[in-house]
Amino acid sequence: GENVEQHPSTLSVQEGDSAVIKCTYSDSASNYFPWYKQELGKRPQLIIDIRSNVGEKKDQRIAVTLNKTAKHFSLHITETQPEDSAVYFCAANPWAGSNYKLTFGKGTLLTVNP
Amino acid sequence: DGGITQSPKYLFRKEGQNVTLSCEQNLNHDAMYWYRQDPGQGLRLIYYSQIVNDFQKGDIAEGYSVSREKKESFPLTVTSAQKNPTAFYLCASSIGTTTDTQYFGPGTRLTVL
Repeated sequence: GENVEQHPSTLSVQEGDSAVIKCTYSDSASNYFPWYKQELGKRPQLIIDIRSNVGEKKDQRIAVTLNKTAKHFSLHITETQPEDSAVYFCAANPWAGSNYKLTFGKGTLLTVNP
Repeated sequence: DGGITQSPKYLFRKEGQNVTLSCEQNLNHDAMYWYRQDPGQGLRLIYYSQIVNDFQKGDIAEGYSVSREKKESFPLTVTSAQKNPTAFYLCASSIGTTTDTQYFGPGTRLTVL
């Protein structure tokens, strides 16, 4: 089955710095790669996603890049703020035999220090 | 997000008892999912359903059962066969396939004593 590896597991940055989280996947049939943010005690929420026909996507301070050949994708957060502190999950959608399912990485705890 | 609800927020059960977790959505979504979240393990898929009266096993289905009799509802039963049931359970829904955004419920924290 699909294996989604996420690194690092924890990341600490100073306010204003950039943060980068990387994920790799194994199923070449995967074509959808969302990123979710989960604040402490809250539900995960989608922050950005990318599909396999696109190499990069930006939304204000966050961006995602995808390298299908190497099977890896990354989340970039610029000008980090304390409210960016949360756990971030990447995911990919491997083919499950009759349909696609979503497989998540183990998460990255991002701490932005003021 | 307000369109998908889970109840109760906290649930305590004795070992050996079956327990059913509720998940309801009013988003008119076809697909619904159950995930288990443990510290350091991310979100692991238990079961998912893409249409009423049909569902598929996810990666960790052993010890769990589901039903999808109505489009709005996707209850999860944690049976006594689940060896380590204490966890945070998240339900999600999406319009259709997994290339659509999944919206999560607030979760149920199950503790088995």
